[in-house]
Amino acid sequence: AQTVTQSQPEMSVQEAETVTLSCTYDTSESDYYLFWYKQPPSRQMILVIRQEAYKQQNATENRFSVNFQKAAKSFSLKISDSQLGDAAMYFCAYRKGAGNTPLVFGKGTRLSVIA
Amino acid sequence: EPEVTQTPSHQVTQMGQEVILRCVPISNHLYFYWYRQILGQKVEFLVSFYNNEISEKSEIFDDQFSVERPDGSNFTLKIRSTKLEDSAMYFCASSEQSGGQETQYFGPGTRLLVL
Repeated sequence: AQTVTQSQPEMSVQEAETVTLSCTYDTSESDYYLFWYKQPPSRQMILVIRQEAYKQQNATENRFSVNFQKAAKSFSLKISDSQLGDAAMYFCAYRKGAGNTPLVFGKGTRLSVIA
Repeated sequence: EPEVTQTPSHQVTQMGQEVILRCVPISNHLYFYWYRQILGQKVEFLVSFYNNEISEKSEIFDDQFSVERPDGSNFTLKIRSTKLEDSAMYFCASSEQSGGQETQYFGPGTRLLVL
């Protein structure tokens, strides 16, 4: 079974600084996708960024980028120029490539942004 | 921008009572999911649904749970006889297509409290 591990229960960052959230996963599949979701205090899950496993290039989305290391099964999220609105729970998630398969989530990292 | 909606936002019920959680997926989406998140824990998959049938379900989704698409817009999760441990946030999600590359869009969740 696929598993997703987030080893940092909590992180904090100064406003305008950069922070990296870690995620590792375990799978025997070759075709899969990785995601970072943000869950602010409102509890709604919002997609931040997505990475296709077959792509070597790391995904970027404005201030958010990933460091995808396929051999190491690592998928970290870098947030640059952190803003107060970035404070949230961040979940790393995995999804098998084919079929109507569910997301498998990690336990999450709570990010605090200090003004 | 289209979004997934869920009602009610909060529900309090007595143990043993039936509850129905409602979701309106994004209108052109064909694949539907329920996830739950017990307070302080990770998001867990319950069930996926396509073409009026369950595609996949987790061990959590036992005989007390059922899903239905009663009309062209709603997607419901029914818990027949609630237990204390069913207290959680329940998220509905939808996607346009199947396959790992498809983004699942989440609703804001229903917070269920079983007393």
